Parts: sequence; structure tokens; C-alpha cells
Amino acid sequence: NAGVTQTPKFQVLKTGQSMTLQCAQDMNHNSMYWYRQDPGMGLRLIYYSASEGTTDKGEVPNGYNVSRLNKREFSLRLESAAPSQTSVYFCASIHRDRVKEAFFGQGTRLTVV
Amino acid sequence: AQRVTQPEKLLSVFKGAPVELKCNYSYSGSPELFWYVQYSRQRLQLLLRHISRESIKGFTADLNKGETSFHLKKPFAQEEDSAMYYCALYSQGGSEKLVFGKGTKLTVNP
Repeated sequence: NAGVTQTPKFQVLKTGQSMTLQCAQDMNHNSMYWYRQDPGMGLRLIYYSASEGTTDKGEVPNGYNVSRLNKREFSLRLESAAPSQTSVYFCASIHRDRVKEAFFGQGTRLTVV
Repeated sequence: AQRVTQPEKLLSVFKGAPVELKCNYSYSGSPELFWYVQYSRQRLQLLLRHISRESIKGFTADLNKGETSFHLKKPFAQEEDSAMYYCALYSQGGSEKLVFGKGTKLTVNP
């Protein structure tokens, strides 16, 4: 039981490049989330998906897109990376019919130069 | 809109002293509130949730709907409690949104 797995763990991009952060969970959870963590700003919600086939914007969606490929996978795409997107990105999942404990991935440290 | 406020970015106490991390929330519905902890170089993990009314690692938190608060308390802090603490609010009934406060970095000095 791997829980929530994020790839890659580290990435350096040049301004304007694109990339996709992958997230997969094997706990049969309904809801999945993408956050960014910045010093002094805490965890800010980028996008979330309450169930397969649905996605919604969070607090800071600009510059990002997401895909809920199936129940297990929820990817985050940066179409044209900017230095302001330098951050640590976390994926999380919740089984909304149970106690609603969120399980987190180990994070992706992204640097845009 | 739902919002979580943690007024203290940093909190420093001595070992054995009481500690209280403040959390206030704004939400029109019936909230589900949580405290998460992130130890150095580790992923976030659940510390406790208001519906369980439990004590984990000596920490407790009581939901006060009148004051819209969910403060985290521990009577005697330990050095191993040093970490980042996040208060979180989950909205159910359609949205399934989970939002976090900005976090409080707790340092327990020897």
C-alpha cells in the first residue's frame, strides 16, 4: 500500500517550459487535491477534484491546469512556467465518505529559473 | 467562502511550558476542522480532528462555534513537538473542499 505517490520529487525548469506533475493514490479515495507550499503562505489550494470526471478551481489556479484521468490519478500541468511558480507542490487525497483524513504525497520541489 | 486564519507564524516556548496554537475559521455551514503537522523533511500528517474529540501526543483541540475557533493546546511541550502546524477546514455537502491556514512554526527550546 503506497498511499499517495508524486513524481517527480525535484524539477528545475526554464521560464516558458511546460511540465506535468503526476499524482496517484491506491486507497480508492474519491477526492484529490493539489496545493503549493510557500514560506509564510502556508498551503494554498490550486485545484481539486471531488470525484472522477470533475475538477474545480481553488485559491490560486492561474497558470495551472489539471486532469483527473481516473479515480487513482490527478495530474497538474504548468503550460508555461514562470519564476513565481517556484514552490513545493503537494498532492493529497481523501475518502469523503469516511473520516476525511487527508493523505499527502511527499511533495515536488519545483524551481523555475 | 471558507477561510482559516492562524495569526501566529512563529511560536517559541520552553520545554515543559504550555502551548496554544490559535486557529479561527470562517464558514457558513457546519465545519469539519483538523490539525495537521509537518515535521522536518516529512510529509503532512493528520494530528487530530474535531469530531473525534481525542488527544493525540498530548494535544487537544476544542471547536468553539461561538468564537469560530479551533485552538490546539498542550499542557507541557516537548522538544519533539517542534514542527509546522496547520489548521484545516473541510466543507462537505457538495464542495468537498479542503483549505488550510498559513501555518504556525512551533519551536520548543530545551
